[in-house]
Amino acid sequence: GENVEQHPSTLSVQEGDSAVIKCTYSDSASNYFPWYKQELGKGPQLIIDIRSNVGEKKDQRIAVTLNKTAKHFSLHITETQPEDSAVYFCAASIISIRIWAGGTSYGKLTFGQGTILTVHP
Amino acid sequence: EAGVAQSPRYKIIEKRQSVAFWCNPISGHATLYWYQQILGQGPKLLIQFQNNGVVDDSQLPKDRFSAERLKGVDSTLKIQPAKLEDSAVYLCASSLERTSYEQYFGPGTRLTVT
Repeated sequence: GENVEQHPSTLSVQEGDSAVIKCTYSDSASNYFPWYKQELGKGPQLIIDIRSNVGEKKDQRIAVTLNKTAKHFSLHITETQPEDSAVYFCAASIISIRIWAGGTSYGKLTFGQGTILTVHP
Repeated sequence: EAGVAQSPRYKIIEKRQSVAFWCNPISGHATLYWYQQILGQGPKLLIQFQNNGVVDDSQLPKDRFSAERLKGVDSTLKIQPAKLEDSAVYLCASSLERTSYEQYFGPGTRLTVT
């Protein structure tokens, strides 16, 4: 099955600096890579995702890059703020689209181990 | 739009006791998931429902864990009997059928087995 490795396990930055979290995956069939942010006492929240037909995606201060050949993808947060402090998880999935009326995709997510990001004011 | 609801938020039991968790997904979401998140690790899928049916339960310890989804809406996850290693946060997530990769998580139930 799929295996996702995430590094680093902890990351400490000063406010305004950039933060980069990297993940590698094992199954070359994986084609969907989301990133989740989990704050204390809450469930994970999807913050950005990328599909295998795209190399980079940006949304304001966050961006994700994907290298299919090397089977790794990264999360980049620029101009970090204290409220970015949380645990970040990468995940990988195989989206299988069945072509019939209605269509259905089954997305089993395999998560990385998580990165604790601390942004110091 | 209301999010995924879970209860209870916290539960402490002794080993060999039983426990049940409840989940109410986002209205209209046909797909429901239960994950186990052990401290310091990422969530691990236990079971996935598509409406009333089970899509994937390959990682569910079926000798002690069971789950059901009544009428394709609410779901319960039960552990009987509990072991110390079951201490974790149990997360419920839901998604639309056509975009089941976009999962929305509830706040979780933190289980402590003593």
